[in-house]
Amino acid sequence: GQQVMQIPQYQHVQEGEDFTTYCNSSTTLSNIQWYKQRPGGHPVFLIQLVKSGEVKKQKRLTFQFGEAKKNSSLHITATQTTDVGTYFCAGRTGGFKTIFGAGTRLFVKA
Amino acid sequence: ETGVTQSPTHLIKTRGQQVTLRCSSQSGHNTVSWYQQALGQGPQFIFQYYREEENGRGNFPPRFSGLQFPNYSSELNVNALELDDSALYLCASSLTPTKVNTEAFFGQGTRLTVV
Repeated sequence: GQQVMQIPQYQHVQEGEDFTTYCNSSTTLSNIQWYKQRPGGHPVFLIQLVKSGEVKKQKRLTFQFGEAKKNSSLHITATQTTDVGTYFCAGRTGGFKTIFGAGTRLFVKA
Repeated sequence: ETGVTQSPTHLIKTRGQQVTLRCSSQSGHNTVSWYQQALGQGPQFIFQYYREEENGRGNFPPRFSGLQFPNYSSELNVNALELDDSALYLCASSLTPTKVNTEAFFGQGTRLTVV
């Protein structure tokens, strides 16, 4: 079945360092969404990418969708302690079903 | 806040029992999806309801069932609870599933513990 793999599982960074999480799908996606979940909280929508090769920025966050629409990345520049949480990618194949990756948990040391 | 509310927030049940979880979708949203999130894992898609009909289902057994009501609120029912059903159950509401751009708004979740 369709799988969405996300790496790394964990990332420890010093505040001010950059962070990147990668997402790979076994099948071509119609879109990919990114969510952030704080400890004890629920996933919060960050962004959706639809077009091949699309790049979107939100302040210090940069999201990319691969040319083949099978991979994606989230890059955070100069991390802050408020960036702490788990970042999930979620891919959709054109139907109703959204497949979440296992997430990357970000720890930021002040 | 997303406007999606779930109840109860926490629940403890005994193996073999049945449970009903509830979700009120965001105003204007007619699609509700349910997810199971085990500790340290990503949300796993259970099923989706659109205009009171089940629109699709993930790899969950038939003892997981649901309903959607005319006001688009939804219920998730789980029969014959097993220990492995212990998880955070998330409800997400969104606009019609036929659109490509379907941002999902999650509720706070129901933490179910089966003992």
